[in-house]
Amino acid sequence: QKEVEQNSGPLSVPEGAIASLNCTYSDRGSQSFFWYRQYSGKSPELIMSIYSNGDKEDGRFTAQLNKASQYVSLLIRDSQPSDSATYLCAVNPPGNNQGGKLIFGQGTELSVKP
Amino acid sequence: DTAVSQTPKYLVTQMGNDKSIKCEQNLGHDTMYWYKQDSKKFLKIMFSYNNKELIINETVPNRFSPKSPDKAHLNLHINSLELGDSAVYFCASSPGSYIQYFGAGTRLSVL
Repeated sequence: QKEVEQNSGPLSVPEGAIASLNCTYSDRGSQSFFWYRQYSGKSPELIMSIYSNGDKEDGRFTAQLNKASQYVSLLIRDSQPSDSATYLCAVNPPGNNQGGKLIFGQGTELSVKP
Repeated sequence: DTAVSQTPKYLVTQMGNDKSIKCEQNLGHDTMYWYKQDSKKFLKIMFSYNNKELIINETVPNRFSPKSPDKAHLNLHINSLELGDSAVYFCASSPGSYIQYFGAGTRLSVL
């Protein structure tokens, strides 16, 4: 089992729709969760972080965390063609001396069609 | 004024050669990282330094050697390059909150 799993996609949604991206992780003790967006040929860019169970909203983005189910999701409301990118889920594994280590999923490619 | 800068952006070289990638950050962060992203976009940590001290050393061939002359710089030297080393290498830095800021990447092609 991979430590952080995502559907690779591509996930295709029409402009204006809600895009739902999902991520599961294997280490139950993980405490910090992140969503990065990566445009083709560019570097990953942090868009959301979440540390507590529940929802966290930032503009059109909502991150959802359920530690009991070991599940993190990202909702993008009113999707725009400019949201088309690969979305990477990242998890900080538990334990001391991890040096801020992040374990990334393989990413979900999102395509928003005009 | 780029926060995390890497050089070179592209690197094309022959098998068996030795090459280096340089990284500099002007964010004042204590922690820097090297990641490798393969052709399937899987991003995997290689090394982490905190204020010039090696913190994370993942299962990476010892042909890869990081070096941090000061906390603003983290370089990566690769000996005896192999075809499988072809990838995009990203440098990142962090203020210590697990939030990481990535450089633009170095695309390495080994022929």
